[in-house]
Amino acid sequence: DGGITQSPKYLFRKEGQNVTLSCEQNLNHDAMYWYRQDPGQGLRLIYYSQIVNDFQKGDIAEGYSVSREKKESFPLTVTSAQKNPTAFYLCASRSNRDRGINEQFFGPGTRLTVL
Amino acid sequence: ELKVEQNPLFLSMQEGKNYTIYCNYSTTSDRLYWYRQDPGKSLESLFVLLSNGAVKQEGRLMASLDTKARLSTLHITAAVHDLSATYFCAVWEGGGADGLTFGKGTHLIIQP
Repeated sequence: DGGITQSPKYLFRKEGQNVTLSCEQNLNHDAMYWYRQDPGQGLRLIYYSQIVNDFQKGDIAEGYSVSREKKESFPLTVTSAQKNPTAFYLCASRSNRDRGINEQFFGPGTRLTVL
Repeated sequence: ELKVEQNPLFLSMQEGKNYTIYCNYSTTSDRLYWYRQDPGKSLESLFVLLSNGAVKQEGRLMASLDTKARLSTLHITAAVHDLSATYFCAVWEGGGADGLTFGKGTHLIIQP
């Protein structure tokens, strides 16, 4: 089955720790994205990557880092510099071959809680 | 900076009724998306609207786009309980930037 997987589903972190959230897709999509969702809010863009070995900051990149060493993988690290990391994190991807439709497809999400 | 506003943010309605959710956005765009989210779940794509006057329908849901007014609507016809969810609109700004800008969502409860 083609799709986007995120792991873990739930993650607990102590203050001061860095944690890495995994996102993998086997859709052969080119672009990948990380969004953050806070309770009762819409999604906000953290980082995106349109090709391997390249990525761009989104609206709320401070305290986060990413890498894109393989087309199918786009891990997100939440660093200790992120002051309020408790949130629901969603990974998305899209194909560059969709004739400009730019439709993004979302993974199941990781719920991060800072203790 | 692109801003996307949805209203209402919360809607409680009875089965069988009709209602419309509105999505306004602040800059020129012809790419608008509607998503559904169930509690604790991810986002499911509902509609992709790509041009002025675009209208898409799926079951009891119909979405439209007016790029001149910078307005999209999601209309619910004869609501049923299964449509209870949070609905988000999102806009792709383009022009070198990537990623979607989302509204805050409309939390819809449909009561029997």
